[in-house]
Amino acid sequence: QQQVKQSPQSLIVQKGGISIINCAYENTAFDYFPWYQQFPGKGPALLIAIRPDVSEKKEGRFTISFNKSAKQFSLHIMDSQPGDSATYFCAASPTGTYKYIFGTGTRLKVLA
Amino acid sequence: GAGVSQSPSNKVTEKGKDVELRCDPISGHTALYWYRQSLGQGLEFLIYFQGNSAPDKSGLPSDRFSAERTGGSVSTLTIQRTQQEDSAVYLCASSLVWDRVYEQFFGPGTRLTVL
Repeated sequence: QQQVKQSPQSLIVQKGGISIINCAYENTAFDYFPWYQQFPGKGPALLIAIRPDVSEKKEGRFTISFNKSAKQFSLHIMDSQPGDSATYFCAASPTGTYKYIFGTGTRLKVLA
Repeated sequence: GAGVSQSPSNKVTEKGKDVELRCDPISGHTALYWYRQSLGQGLEFLIYFQGNSAPDKSGLPSDRFSAERTGGSVSTLTIQRTQQEDSAVYLCASSLVWDRVYEQFFGPGTRLTVL
């Protein structure tokens, strides 16, 4: 069964700190990895995405690190702000398909 | 421009009743997706549409679930004979074309509670 395992389930970080969320997968046929951010009462919104042919992608304070051999990828939020408090989902898309397999989510709280 | 809209935002129903959930995608988006988000769980893919057709319905959890899309726009997810385990937030998303590298824009969801 195709799965994406996400950790931690919840995370509390001080303002200005680094938030790190990890995901792991088993199916090597995944070849597209988006991250989504969801605020309470809202639908998820795309934050950043990466393909396995690169090891890192950075957009502003958000960085995805990808370790193909370990089948792991992570989201780093630098200089975390209270406005970053949300639930974050990693996802993976199997090659040749249209769908995303989502992780179970990480609830991030950034303390002011 | 307008985003994906869903209605109703909340639905409370009794076990055994049928419910219909509606999704209005972003205008011009040809692909439409339905997901289910249960408490403490990630998003579970249910079904997708390319135009009016749904090539793969394998994500639907049982034959009580069905979905249709008309005019390449509005979609309706129907749950017949609802069960308590159907309680969840049902999310709809649309994307410009059917390709996973095109961002899926999500609606705010319909929270379904089955008593």
